[in-house]
Amino acid sequence: SQQGEEDPQALSIQEGENATMNCSYKTSINNLQWYRQNSGRGLVHLILIRSNEREKHSGRLRVTLDTSKKSSSLLITASRAADTASYFCATDQGVGGNQFYFGTGTSLTVIP
Amino acid sequence: KAGVTQTPRYLIKTRGQQVTLSCSPISGHRSVSWYQQTPGQGLQFLFEYFSETQRNKGNFPGRFSGRQFSNSRSEMNVSTLELGDSALYLCASSLVGGNTIYFGEGSWLTVV
Repeated sequence: SQQGEEDPQALSIQEGENATMNCSYKTSINNLQWYRQNSGRGLVHLILIRSNEREKHSGRLRVTLDTSKKSSSLLITASRAADTASYFCATDQGVGGNQFYFGTGTSLTVIP
Repeated sequence: KAGVTQTPRYLIKTRGQQVTLSCSPISGHRSVSWYQQTPGQGLQFLFEYFSETQRNKGNFPGRFSGRQFSNSRSEMNVSTLELGDSALYLCASSLVGGNTIYFGEGSWLTVV
């Protein structure tokens, strides 16, 4: 499969704790993006990290990228109940245009 | 600025029928791509259109087709519907050369 894999598949934490989810992919990439999806809704773009970047921050989000290991991680700090959602990584895998390959997703539940 | 708009949001079709889904991209976005999301296969790329031309195509049968109009609005069509076509169909748009794609809320298709 050309899709990436997220790990863990499901994660349940208490409000205020940090949540870390990982993504692995298979081929060279130009960039990697993380998206959030609330149940039955569209995907919301969270952050994009380019292949020449190692770490990026946006608010409570921190993304790292290790191209040698073909992996990325998303850290959500001080989680809130509203962070409950599925999180997906997406890679372009070097293909031109806007064709993206999505991982299998991590389902995050934040317990109030 | 209005987001990506997809219509209809929900529809039920009978096996063997055809369906047309519509997508209006964010104003100024010229790239429109379509994805299918199912519990079993996850998010899969269908095709991407840019300036009325199909730029990329995923691994789907010829029953799945699309087009883009001069105002960047896009439609996708699925002919001879099968039960397995039941899914959330997501449209996404992006700027010329932009790597971030912005999703609509999706169209839920149920085939009975």
